[in-house]
Amino acid sequence: DGGITQSPKYLFRKEGQNVTLSCEQNLNHDAMYWYRQDPGQGLRLIYYSQIVNDFQKGDIAEGYSVSREKKESFPLTVTSAQKNPTAFYLCASSIWHAGDTQYFGPGTRLTVL
Amino acid sequence: ELKVEQNPLFLSMQEGKNYTIYCNYSTTSDRLYWYRQDPGKSLESLFVLLSNGAVKQEGRLMASLDTKARLSTLHITAAVHDLSATYFCAVDIDNYGGSQGNLIFGKGTKLSVKP
Repeated sequence: DGGITQSPKYLFRKEGQNVTLSCEQNLNHDAMYWYRQDPGQGLRLIYYSQIVNDFQKGDIAEGYSVSREKKESFPLTVTSAQKNPTAFYLCASSIWHAGDTQYFGPGTRLTVL
Repeated sequence: ELKVEQNPLFLSMQEGKNYTIYCNYSTTSDRLYWYRQDPGKSLESLFVLLSNGAVKQEGRLMASLDTKARLSTLHITAAVHDLSATYFCAVDIDNYGGSQGNLIFGKGTKLSVKP
């Protein structure tokens, strides 16, 4: 079955630790995205990538880093520089042309202890 | 800076009633998306609206886009409990004439349909 997988589903982090969230897709999509969702809020774009080995900052990239070494994978690292990382993180992918729908993974809920 | 505003943010309605959710945005775009999110879950794509005057319908939901007014509506007809969810609109930034895939989301409308 084609789709987007994210792991882990729940993640707990101590202050000062870096953690990496996994996102994999087997839809053969060129573009991948990371969003953050806070309670009662819409989604905000962290990073996106149109092709392998290239990515762009979104609106709230500070404290986060990404890599895109393979078309199907777009991991997100939440660094200790991110001051308020507790949130629901959603990964999405799409075919790269105007108007294509972004399809979302099931999400990772990160809590800082 | 593109802003996307939805209203209402909370909507409690009775089964069988009709209602409309509004999505206003502040800059030029002709690509608008509607998503549904159930509590604790991911986003599910509902509609993609790609031109002025676009109208799409699926079951009890109908979405439309007026790019001149920078307004999209999501109309609910004869609501049922299963439609209870949070609905988001998202607008695609048109950067230098081409999509960057950078969606700006509204804050969402939390819909509760009661018997």
